[in-house]
Amino acid sequence: DTAVSQTPKYLVTQMGNDKSIKCEQNLGHDTMYWYKQDSKKFLKIMFSYNNKELIINETVPNRFSPKSPDKAHLNLHINSLELGDSAVYFCASSQVRASGIYAYEQYFGPGTRLTVT
Amino acid sequence: AQSVTQLDSQVPVFEEAPVELRCNYSSSVSVYLFWYVQYPNQGLQLLLKYLSGSTLVKGINGFEAEFNKSQTSFHLRKPSVHISDTAEYFCAVNQGGKLIFGQGTELSVKP
Repeated sequence: DTAVSQTPKYLVTQMGNDKSIKCEQNLGHDTMYWYKQDSKKFLKIMFSYNNKELIINETVPNRFSPKSPDKAHLNLHINSLELGDSAVYFCASSQVRASGIYAYEQYFGPGTRLTVT
Repeated sequence: AQSVTQLDSQVPVFEEAPVELRCNYSSSVSVYLFWYVQYPNQGLQLLLKYLSGSTLVKGINGFEAEFNKSQTSFHLRKPSVHISDTAEYFCAVNQGGKLIFGQGTELSVKP
């Protein structure tokens, strides 16, 4: 069974288009994340949701809008795609203790490679 | 804010040789440290983690890491590497729920 899944795995699109990436986790976790990995393999967090509530929102252009319909799903919608958006986008999930101590590891999906031409 | 520095961007090593991948973090009252591995065209897989307690942490695939508070380091080691260990390795610290990653170290194991 896949723990964290993402669709699509590859996404090739033109500048100016709008696209979405979907993420689902079957681990029963309450927190989900989006990370961006650039061409130099540097990983940086974009967003985090806990029980459908946005809790982390890094400095990301407002063309990026995450949506969490329930705690098992976190989608990423990108408007007006730009060349610089080309990257690998990873979804992750973790279980945060009630005390809010973020000690637990995050489980990552396989990634979505977005290429903007 | 926390930061993580991986001191080597590339580490070439021969099969069956020992390896150490170095990681330093910025100091904090308490830290939660992780090593992840990324095989080509795949997601990140957790190798090991340090939350508290014993400073020597054992992980999967024969890897281990030692937490050194005075040196603010969390170096990853394996006594004998295999070709299949060729991958990108990331050190990370958990800061308020988000993982802060180092730049990554590319481990290349040669026959």
